[in-house]
Amino acid sequence: RKEVEQDPGPFNVPEGATVAFNCTYSNSASQSFFWYRQDCRKEPKLLMSVYSSGNEDGRFTAQLNRASQYISLLIRDSKLSDSATYLCVVNKGSQGNLIFGKGTKLSVKP
Amino acid sequence: DAGITQSPRYKITETGRQVTLMCHQTWSHSYMFWYRQDLGHGLRLIYYSAAADITDKGEVPDGYVVSRSKTENFPLTLESATRSQTSVYFCASRGGLAGPRTDTQYFGPGTRLTVL
Repeated sequence: RKEVEQDPGPFNVPEGATVAFNCTYSNSASQSFFWYRQDCRKEPKLLMSVYSSGNEDGRFTAQLNRASQYISLLIRDSKLSDSATYLCVVNKGSQGNLIFGKGTKLSVKP
Repeated sequence: DAGITQSPRYKITETGRQVTLMCHQTWSHSYMFWYRQDLGHGLRLIYYSAAADITDKGEVPDGYVVSRSKTENFPLTLESATRSQTSVYFCASRGGLAGPRTDTQYFGPGTRLTVL
């Protein structure tokens, strides 16, 4: 099993749609979970951390299922500006080093 | 607030040449990281540093050298560049403690390196 696995997409959705991304991770000892966003040819930027109880930030909702080692990101009311690649990120080891998934590409169309 | 910067932003070099990529952060973060990003591989860790004068290998360290004489700087050197090192290189940093709320890494804008 890969350390962090994501569906590469692309996900092509119309404006206003709801889209969900899923991610699985292999290290049951991982304690920190994140979603990063990466625009074309730019650096990754933190979108949100993912907490055990799940968390919401505006149109974005992240969920964590430790038993299944599964993380999700839900985007409601998609905007054109949401078009990007979304990286699922999990920590590894006590040093806090991060393992990045290869990303899921989202394209929101008018 | 400059945050984390990288230089040069673009570099073209030839096989066998030595190249140094610079990374500078103004947050006094303890940890700094170097990643490369290639199509089909995502971000892969090259080297990281927990503090000045403390460095350690990541997933793909071969062909690279790092140093960290000052907390704010973390240069990456390709001692003898090869075509397979053509990539986008990102530097990142984070604070000193590990944990769910402190593992967040902040990235520089990247350096696009082409080795001919």
